[in-house]
Amino acid sequence: AIRMTQSPSSFSASTGDRVTITCRASQGISSYLAWYQQKPGKAPKLLIYAASTLQSGVPSRFSGSGSGTDFTLTISCLQSEDFATYYCQQYYSYPPWTFGQGTKVEIK
Amino acid sequence: QVQLVQSGAEVKKPGSSVKVSCKASGGTFSSYTISWVRQAPGQGLEWMGRIIPILGIANYAQKFQGRVTITADKSTSTAYMELSSLRSEDTAVYYCARDGPYEGVFDYWGQGTLVTVSS
Repeated sequence: AIRMTQSPSSFSASTGDRVTITCRASQGISSYLAWYQQKPGKAPKLLIYAASTLQSGVPSRFSGSGSGTDFTLTISCLQSEDFATYYCQQYYSYPPWTFGQGTKVEIK
Repeated sequence: QVQLVQSGAEVKKPGSSVKVSCKASGGTFSSYTISWVRQAPGQGLEWMGRIIPILGIANYAQKFQGRVTITADKSTSTAYMELSSLRSEDTAVYYCARDGPYEGVFDYWGQGTLVTVSS
């Protein structure tokens, strides 16, 4: 199975900050990479797929980049509603689809 | 607008089985794939398996092979996930999710079902 590793596991940031989360795949996955946001007690929400395509309705302050093994999720101007845990997921090689361990973005 | 509504929380004894349902509305149930993803307390997301209702074909993660059965009832637009031989490590929130823009990308999720395994 392809292993997905996110960094950092957690960090603190302030509203208005530009933040970047990194995801690395254990082998090349082309651009078959999705990002999800999850808030406590809620189901994950799809933000980005195909590494950089914004899901309908997702604010443009979210962006994704990368291909092969290294990917990033960037939030250009952190808003209060963005404090959450973020997961990357590969859908290149199945089964299984695999997720990163998550990155928790906390309020500084 | 697709909605996935799951059955309620369950408390099970070790060694027993649990069956969680996921009822879909909106869209055409038979035409999309439903996956099951679980999340242990304070942990990350783990894909368990999926079913393609129109084909009636299910695929499972190797980790759960032999213990999980995913089925679908097209007449009621409901998918089911049954997990047997439960152990404490199976305590988790179980989510159903629909494949969206691409196979393996989940654009709609159920609200989650907490399964607690405890003696």
